[in-house]
Amino acid sequence: DAMVIQNPRYQVTQFGKPVTLSCSQTLNHNVMYWYQQKSSQAPKLLFHYYDKDFNNEADTPDNFQSRRPNTSFCFLDIRSPGLGDAAMYLCATSRASGYSYEQYFGPGTRLTVT
Amino acid sequence: AQKVTQAQTEISVVEKEDVTLDCVYETRDTTYYLFWYKQPPSGELVFLIRRNSFDEQNEISGRYSWNFQKSTSSFNFTITASQVVDSAVYFCALSRNYGGATNKLIFGTGTLLAVQP
Repeated sequence: DAMVIQNPRYQVTQFGKPVTLSCSQTLNHNVMYWYQQKSSQAPKLLFHYYDKDFNNEADTPDNFQSRRPNTSFCFLDIRSPGLGDAAMYLCATSRASGYSYEQYFGPGTRLTVT
Repeated sequence: AQKVTQAQTEISVVEKEDVTLDCVYETRDTTYYLFWYKQPPSGELVFLIRRNSFDEQNEISGRYSWNFQKSTSSFNFTITASQVVDSAVYFCALSRNYGGATNKLIFGTGTLLAVQP
């Protein structure tokens, strides 16, 4: 089945220790998104790629970076995680960035910062 | 401003009851899309439905139905004969085009639905 896969599902890191979360997709979608979702809140868009074009949200901290080496993979790098970065990180894809296209989400990675 | 309001934070029902989740949106756009997503305890957001601003027909899919009314800027979601497996957080979202190739989802705060056996 075509899908969005995120690894790992659970990640524990230490305060200030860099961490990378990964996302892969078999849907061959142009667009990949990264969201941060804190407890009992709606997902918050961090950035997205349209093919290789990177689009950062204005309020995304510099601590968060992303890489998309090819169509299938996208990575979220947190350079120096703080306690406030503990959250669920969701990857999503869509066929194109037109606003009619639904986004398909992966199962998420729950990040704990100790 | 673009905004989605889900006034119901939590709803608890007993299995087989019908339940309606409310969604009210604000937008100045004439063309936009509305979505519902389900987020079960496992965490993954599951796409349920998309509706464009020009199509006000109600939609039914099994036990799920959606009522879109532009006059009241509402896009409500009804589950008929609820089941325990319906327990989840449900998000309503508005999509708009920010010009060029950019698309963003504006989510409501979600409604936690608990279906008791």
